[in-house]
Amino acid sequence: QQQVKQSPQSLIVQKGGISIINCAYENTAFDYFPWYQQFPGKGPALLIAIRPDVSEKKEGRFTISFNKSAKQFSLHIMDSQPGDSATYFCAASSLDTGGFKTIFGAGTRLFVKA
Amino acid sequence: ETGVTQTPRHLVMGMTNKKSLKCEQHLGHNAMYWYKQSAKKPLELMFVYNFKEQTENNSVPSRFSPECPNSSHLFLHLHTLQPEDSALYLCASSQDRGSNTIYFGEGSWLTVV
Repeated sequence: QQQVKQSPQSLIVQKGGISIINCAYENTAFDYFPWYQQFPGKGPALLIAIRPDVSEKKEGRFTISFNKSAKQFSLHIMDSQPGDSATYFCAASSLDTGGFKTIFGAGTRLFVKA
Repeated sequence: ETGVTQTPRHLVMGMTNKKSLKCEQHLGHNAMYWYKQSAKKPLELMFVYNFKEQTENNSVPSRFSPECPNSSHLFLHLHTLQPEDSALYLCASSQDRGSNTIYFGEGSWLTVV
């Protein structure tokens, strides 16, 4: 009920390609879905987030697609660059209960080949 | 430069040692957290402090002992750890425990030998 399932575990993409990472959740009380980006040797940092009242949110080359009925959301990285190589975590929380109840996925290690 | 600073960045300790991890946040936040990050596993929330009071303890073994002397500082005291406790320990903060954006430090890599 509390899990967020993330796939794939690792991803290799050519420079300029599209990276796609998928997540699924079970708890319908979740209403805030952030993505965190973690570079080697650094802590995770908020990249982009979406609420379920919209089906898509775009910030630069990063887009979240959200499917409320399927309880799935995904991160798309357009024109992927070597500098995007990092581990990406999806997460879910409830705006009512707050971030301390955030549930994280297991992470996807992305490598963008030059 | 991160607003959440952790020291030491790397720590190797024996199973009978006592050591501490330190975290300081410069963001004026009121909530602080300890997370454990292990390879290929989701981030595990360990402890939450809100306005210096512990509000969450996610069934963490007593060999991990947190301390929060004020809203800017958080410690994790380590005693008689096991090799399976080797992981990256992340400190984080948020405006308060109800805020949904979490700011992480760079982590302390712990190896228990």
